Amino acid sequence: LAKTTQPISMDSYEGQEVNITCSHNNIATNDYITWYQQFPSQGPRFIIQGYKTKVTNEVASLFIPADRKSSTLSLPRVSLSDTAVYYCLVGGTYSSASKIIFGSGTRLSIRP
Amino acid sequence: DVKVTQSSRYLVKRTGEKVFLECVQDMDHENMFWYRQDPGLGLRLIYFSYDVKMKEKGDIPEGYSVSREKKERFSLILESASTNQTSMYLCASSPPRQEQYFGPGTRLTVT
Repeated sequence: LAKTTQPISMDSYEGQEVNITCSHNNIATNDYITWYQQFPSQGPRFIIQGYKTKVTNEVASLFIPADRKSSTLSLPRVSLSDTAVYYCLVGGTYSSASKIIFGSGTRLSIRP
Repeated sequence: DVKVTQSSRYLVKRTGEKVFLECVQDMDHENMFWYRQDPGLGLRLIYFSYDVKMKEKGDIPEGYSVSREKKERFSLILESASTNQTSMYLCASSPPRQEQYFGPGTRLTVT
């Protein structure tokens, strides 16, 4: 099982870059890494997904080193609205329930 | 936009009752999921379905069952509700090998 480990919480300030790291030592060859954002009283929302190296979209970047045993979600120039819980998910093709394992989440607090 | 809807936002049931949580998605996704979310424990998978009438147990299936008779609908059943099943329940759907789309959640309280 590709168990994931994330920091429980992080604090930052508006305008800063925030990096949240997820460790997944037992990641399998066909596993992707996906990050979700969750606000209170809502379901998680997809942010970004990657397999290796670097992926960037309009809201975040995802850095994955060559050994793929960890990944880092990078949020550029955060604002108060980025205060949320962030989850990493390591899994492959969803062909098996045993491959669907969320981390415990990182509670990110952004201050003015 | 993908839409995943859950039958109730809040639900209060008594111990021993049979409880049905319904989830419907409108994007013809093959995969559907039921999770429960508890403080400090993140999201834990209860059941996963990859096709109509096909299901797999997740991490914590005990005390739960599921039904998927139609592609768009995935039901979670608590056969005899207990207080330790008080939780937030989240449904999600996804195409194969792609990200999951979550519903708003049902906060279930069992008294």
